[in-house]
This record gives sequence, C-alpha cells and structure tokens, in this order.
Amino acid sequence: ETGVTQTPRHLVMGMTNKKSLKCEQHLGHNAMYWYKQSAKKPLELMFVYSLEERVENNSVPSRFSPECPNSSHLFLHLHTLQPEDSALYLCASSQDLGSTTDTQYFGPGTRLTVL
Amino acid sequence: EDQVTQSPEALRLQEGESSSLNCSYTVSGLRGLFWYRQDPGKGPEFLFTLYSAGEEKEKERLKATLTKKESFLHITAPKPEDSATYLCAVLGGKLQFGAGTQVVVTP
Repeated sequence: ETGVTQTPRHLVMGMTNKKSLKCEQHLGHNAMYWYKQSAKKPLELMFVYSLEERVENNSVPSRFSPECPNSSHLFLHLHTLQPEDSALYLCASSQDLGSTTDTQYFGPGTRLTVL
Repeated sequence: EDQVTQSPEALRLQEGESSSLNCSYTVSGLRGLFWYRQDPGKGPEFLFTLYSAGEEKEKERLKATLTKKESFLHITAPKPEDSATYLCAVLGGKLQFGAGTQVVVTP
C-alpha cells in the first residue's frame, strides 16, 4: 500500500451537487498534485501545490476548486459539474517540486460519476 | 512541445511469452523518465526512474532501458499477475504521461 490515501473511493453526484474529495499523504512530502484520468487518455495534471502554496493551475474550470490547508492534506471541492467531468481523480505527492530525482507517489483515486 | 507516445495500446501475451513495451518521447532537456504500473481501479504504482541514455533498471521480470529518444519496458517470462496498464512519464519542464499500454497475460 502507498502512503497516500484518498476518500471517498467512489462518488456519484448530480450536476447541482457540491462535494469534496480528500487526499492525505503520510510520507512527509512537500508537494501534492491533483490529476484527472479519463479512459484511454494520458493523466491530466490539474493542480500542483508546494509547501501549501498553489504553484500551477492548468486551465482547469472554476467548478473545480483545490485547497491545501497543510502539507499533508489536499482537497478538491466540486460544484455544478458536467457529465464529461466523470473520471478517476488521482492525488499524488512528492518530496519536493522540481527536483530531478523526485518521484510522485499516487493514491488509489476517487472514481467520480456525474449524472 | 513535449510529447510522450506509448505503443502498443494493448498487448495480449501467453504466460512465459516475453515482450517489450515502447515509450517514445520528445522533450527539451530530459530530467527523468518514469515507469508506473496501474491496476484497474487503483492509482499508478511507481516502478523505475531512468535519467540518462544507456541506463537500465530491473525489478523481478521487468527491465527498463533508455535511449535518447525512447524507453523500453521488457517483460521476461510474464505471469498473469503482470497484467496491468503500464504508464510512462517524462520529466522535462513538467511531468507528462503517455496514455499507457494495457497488458493482459493469460495462463
């Protein structure tokens, strides 16, 4: 098992709902990431945090709102999603950001279905 | 723009039938190439990091190699438990993933 946990593992929501995804890392890392994984497509980087500060936002719609209250926790707040947002949402962490030896470790993901 | 292409998209092997997966890349200033394994419904699991052409890493039946334009993941005498999707990722300015190769090993 990895040191990155995600809850919930599965989520079904309507387009008008508001929900949050939670990620926690137990590895003492300083950088955390949100990815979206759709079938047959490469992982899409959504957000990057380093030492609790957002350092990257890859043109993600505002209906996705990240929050990083400390270096161990990362949230993704969801509201008024669209059916095309249905995907596997993965959280990852790494020791630091930008190091050439850095490796990202992933959580198990949250399978999100938007009806 | 950095690009990562994995081939084939899918691979079906008999148990014991060795094969190779390919990861071709174009990147400005390669800082690392990563291989991950992903099982259905789970997050990617780290396998290897390669940093320079000519480098090789091994783990059980898996061996990863790197040239200046591509990386190979060789699976020697695979077993059914090697069935998974194998992802390649390249670190240049940022980490970029390929779409993966889905491997199925039948008894």
